[in-house]
Amino acid sequence: DAGVIQSPRHEVTEMGQEVTLRCKPISGHNSLFWYRQTMMRGLELLIYFNNNVPIDDSGMPEDRFSAKMPNASFSTLKIQPSEPRDSAVYFCASSFGPSLDIQYFGAGTRLSVL
Amino acid sequence: GDSVTQMEGPVTLSEEAFLTINCTYTATGYPSLFWYVQYPGEGLQLLLKATKADDKGSNKGFEATYRKETTSFHLEKGSVQVSDSAVYFCALNHGNQFYFGTGTSLTVIP
Repeated sequence: DAGVIQSPRHEVTEMGQEVTLRCKPISGHNSLFWYRQTMMRGLELLIYFNNNVPIDDSGMPEDRFSAKMPNASFSTLKIQPSEPRDSAVYFCASSFGPSLDIQYFGAGTRLSVL
Repeated sequence: GDSVTQMEGPVTLSEEAFLTINCTYTATGYPSLFWYVQYPGEGLQLLLKATKADDKGSNKGFEATYRKETTSFHLEKGSVQVSDSAVYFCALNHGNQFYFGTGTSLTVIP
């Protein structure tokens, strides 16, 4: 298996623009997670889905952030409008089974908002 | 609520030195405990896990023992290598909740 695939790997945009990050989980996995990593705040869970349904979005910072999982093989995280403080590395991870046991992470998307 | 606390970094060691990275947790019941490792420019990957008290997880020469009496899951390695340079995260899974520590950066110098 190719693992969790994220795109793009790097994104540079200007403040106010819309940003869409994409994730393809490992085939057969039924849970998907979006994380944000910064030096100041470490690794933060933004949202996670189980069987394509959002289970916990309490980590989503504000209404500018939204996430969707239209099917088992694809998810997006959208920021609109983007702000410089959104600059971070965003990770997608997936796991299999009813518990959030072993999570497999993608390589991340490094977002820079100028 | 549940949480994980791990030692602050960064940690710098010489090759072949002994490594300990402390991790303590707060949780009701019996969570599962994990150590993840993040190499430069990559996502996190599972290093080892333990699912019940007194379990010892081990992988690649790293070990950690689930100590319920001290609510700890310290990571140890007897002889580190330059290739072990990475950021290490302690994590806890309890039901539908998953918590990561803040990460400890390790640099091993030749």
